[in-house]
Amino acid sequence: GAGVSQSPSNKVTEKGKDVELRCDPISGHTALYWYRQSLGQGLEFLIYFQGNSAPDKSGLPSDRFSAERTGGSVSTLTIQRTQQEDSAVYLCASSLVQQGGYGANVLTFGAGSRLTVL
Amino acid sequence: GESVGLHLPTLSVQEGDNSIINCAYSNSASDYFIWYKQESGKGPQFIIDIRSNMDKRQGQRVTVLLNKTVKHLSLQIAATQPGDSAVYFCAENSAGGTSYGKLTFGQGTILTVHP
Repeated sequence: GAGVSQSPSNKVTEKGKDVELRCDPISGHTALYWYRQSLGQGLEFLIYFQGNSAPDKSGLPSDRFSAERTGGSVSTLTIQRTQQEDSAVYLCASSLVQQGGYGANVLTFGAGSRLTVL
Repeated sequence: GESVGLHLPTLSVQEGDNSIINCAYSNSASDYFIWYKQESGKGPQFIIDIRSNMDKRQGQRVTVLLNKTVKHLSLQIAATQPGDSAVYFCAENSAGGTSYGKLTFGQGTILTVHP
């Protein structure tokens, strides 16, 4: 597609439930990222996929959080047993990593999925 | 841990004025800096970037200045327009080319442009 697509745009869930957030990156972009943005805060890195390499999961806040990327394209971020502190906007981004890494930091973000845990 | 932060959380300007948004960083190993603009309900949008071997870079109506001595980054917007109203984030990549888009973001500055 023309941009990064995320779904759902809004999700309200009850504490303890599992949620799945989906990201469709820009076609041809090899790198995919998940960030979290809490109210009035900057973006917090969660996880990063690059090609067939093992993902960088260093930003995931707990083992309740996981993500996968199927076929080098679509990614799903799963939050198990949601807690109120998980409420945030979850942003997905992708980038085209060229040889030497040029352009790798030019992330194109989706509009985000707003998660509210009651 | 090291982080990127902003001096001013809000900035109000009149249309046509120049705007300057500031950012301080603490990681002296940071080698790449980026400014993003985020409008309400949208994801951040890339504005301009600069590498640590440069001290100034210009784009269309925007200029980024980097002062490594005092670890300070600024974004200058010329002839600010109402459409420039948004939250502006600075971000750094301190991990170099092996960590690509693993960015550390500042808290953001809210820019409001009055007609």
